[in-house]
Amino acid sequence: DQQVKQNSPSLSVQEGRISILNCDYTNSMFDYFLWYKKYPAEGPTFLISISSIKDKNEDGRFTVFLNKSAKHLSLHIVPSQPGDSAVYFCAASINTGTASKLTFGTGTRLQVTL
Amino acid sequence: SAVISQKPSRDICQRGTSLTIQCQVDSQVTMMFWYRQQPGQSLTLIATANQGSEATYESGFVIDKFPISRPNLTFSTLTVSNMSPEDSSIYLCSVDLAKGEDTQYFGPGTRLTVL
Repeated sequence: DQQVKQNSPSLSVQEGRISILNCDYTNSMFDYFLWYKKYPAEGPTFLISISSIKDKNEDGRFTVFLNKSAKHLSLHIVPSQPGDSAVYFCAASINTGTASKLTFGTGTRLQVTL
Repeated sequence: SAVISQKPSRDICQRGTSLTIQCQVDSQVTMMFWYRQQPGQSLTLIATANQGSEATYESGFVIDKFPISRPNLTFSTLTVSNMSPEDSSIYLCSVDLAKGEDTQYFGPGTRLTVL
């Protein structure tokens, strides 16, 4: 049962353009969402997160949008840079008051071309 | 964030043997987690390691196969026991800094190949 889904396994974007990575979830109890970036041979690096009480969170070139009614979130990267080429994972958790486990999507490989 | 290291970074092991992976954090943390990423797959939580208590395992993972130690607030080990080729994966530890949100920070991972 894949509760967090990233339906696009790969995405190619030209340098300077916007990259939009999408994520859908099925569990309405999820109330905290995160995006991680992963380079080969490295662990995932935390990028940005959003609580379910918000619909947008921005940090520099990265913006995450949350649509609770559609159970959908997206990560926008503007402008895209070659160094952004990596696998991006979305993850979700249920806030229980203590540290909660993360449920990850299957990842989207972003390639930013020159 | 936190600085997290793992040893070994990679290993090639024979079927039937065991490997212990170490995870060291540069600050004291209550919760540590162990994940597995099989080839082409997502990250799957194996267990949560809380200092001073038994690890909590997720469905499909058992202590006999993946024993975990958590002797103090900066260190944990995961052992992959009686290995088979299906255990070939990247094993990752992560920590929650308990800042009121569920952000976890990951180590660099251990790439395990079982022949």
